[in-house]
This record gives sequence, structure tokens and C-alpha cells, in this order.
Amino acid sequence: GAVVSQHPSRVICKSGTSVKIECRSLDFQATTMFWYRQFPKQSLMLMATSNEGSKATYEQGVEKDKFLINHASLTLSTLTVTSAHPEDSSFYICSASDSYNEQFFGPGTRLTVL
Amino acid sequence: DAKTTQPTSMDCAEGRAANLPCNHSTISGNEYVYWYRQIHSQGPQYIIHGLKNNETNEMASLIITEDRKSSTLILPHATLRDTAVYYCIVSRPPGNTPLVFGKGTRLSVIA
Repeated sequence: GAVVSQHPSRVICKSGTSVKIECRSLDFQATTMFWYRQFPKQSLMLMATSNEGSKATYEQGVEKDKFLINHASLTLSTLTVTSAHPEDSSFYICSASDSYNEQFFGPGTRLTVL
Repeated sequence: DAKTTQPTSMDCAEGRAANLPCNHSTISGNEYVYWYRQIHSQGPQYIIHGLKNNETNEMASLIITEDRKSSTLILPHATLRDTAVYYCIVSRPPGNTPLVFGKGTRLSVIA
């Protein structure tokens, strides 16, 4: 199947700093990517839909000014957690769909805010 | 998207078939049944999907009832590496549609 990568896989930062997470589709082009987060012992929760060349669509309750999404190319979407706080600590996962309408997920990024 | 109901957890002996049920009684005619699994601290892994016919691939088989209100994922010979949370999701083809995850079934394969 298609491969989606994320970078970094793990990041620890101080409270108040910003963290950028990259999501790349390695062997296919994805006009749409999705961002999820997962708290311990919980399921994945959709945060936003990232569309290449246009503004992201955020789910209710997700602050667009705090979680900045940029989808500048057909193979790269970035999620920036601005002014991170300990409650933003979570497992962030992206996904992308290929031309066969199968959705593939990245390996996830574990963010820890001290 | 239609909701699904799965058992919270299941155990399976190594080498035996694991049968994971899913109820999706409100599924619409154009919605597929997708199965993903998530091994601890990893991203979800695609397993299989189907519309109304039974499907089989190298990982698993998917059995969908004739009325499409329920389905069963079958791992024919479970191994310890199959221990994971298995998610049953009903959705239109997810080209531009996000997959909505429920709580899934935690499968424990026991030696």
C-alpha cells in the first residue's frame, strides 16, 4: 500500500513554544489529508481536513489559530501547534487518500509539552 | 457516517482464527465497511474493506451479511503480532471523506 510519513516521530517541548509536525505522502499525490489526535486509551479524534491550496476545515472545538495547518503541495501537509501547553500533549496522526480511495495513515507523532 | 458497535475486547489463542464482529445497522447503500487496526503507539493500518460481497486479502477476510447490517473480520491464523485495537468503520469511499473512528475492539492474542 501507499506510504505516509510523519516527522518528527517524537518531540518534547517547553510550554509556550510552537511545534511543527510534517506529514508526507511518499509515493502518491494527495489533494486531501486529515489530521487526528489521540489521547491515552482513547480513539482517534478528527481535528481537521487539509486541502491542497486552500484553507483547512476544522472540526468543532478545534481552535484554528492554535493548530495551524498548511497544505502547500500535493505531498506535504504541516500541523503547527502554537504556544503549546501540557494539555496539548497527545499523539498526532495524519492520513491521506490515494487515487484508489484507500486512506493511509502516518506512524504518528508523540508530542509532550513540559 | 453510520455508527458501528463492536465488543470492547476479545481474546484469541495463537494459531486460531480470530473473528471480530461489527454491527452497523444504519449503514447507507453507498457506504463501505472498512477495517483498520492500531498496534500500540503506531498509526492505524488498513486491513480490508467491502461493500456487500465478501472480501479476502493476504491479511484477512471480511464477511458482510446479506442485509449489510453487520460484518465479521476474520484473521485466519492469529499471531501475537496481531494483538491490536481493531476498528470497524462505515464510510463512503474516503477520497475526501475523513474516517470516523469508534472505540474499536481490543484483540489480545494469547500464546
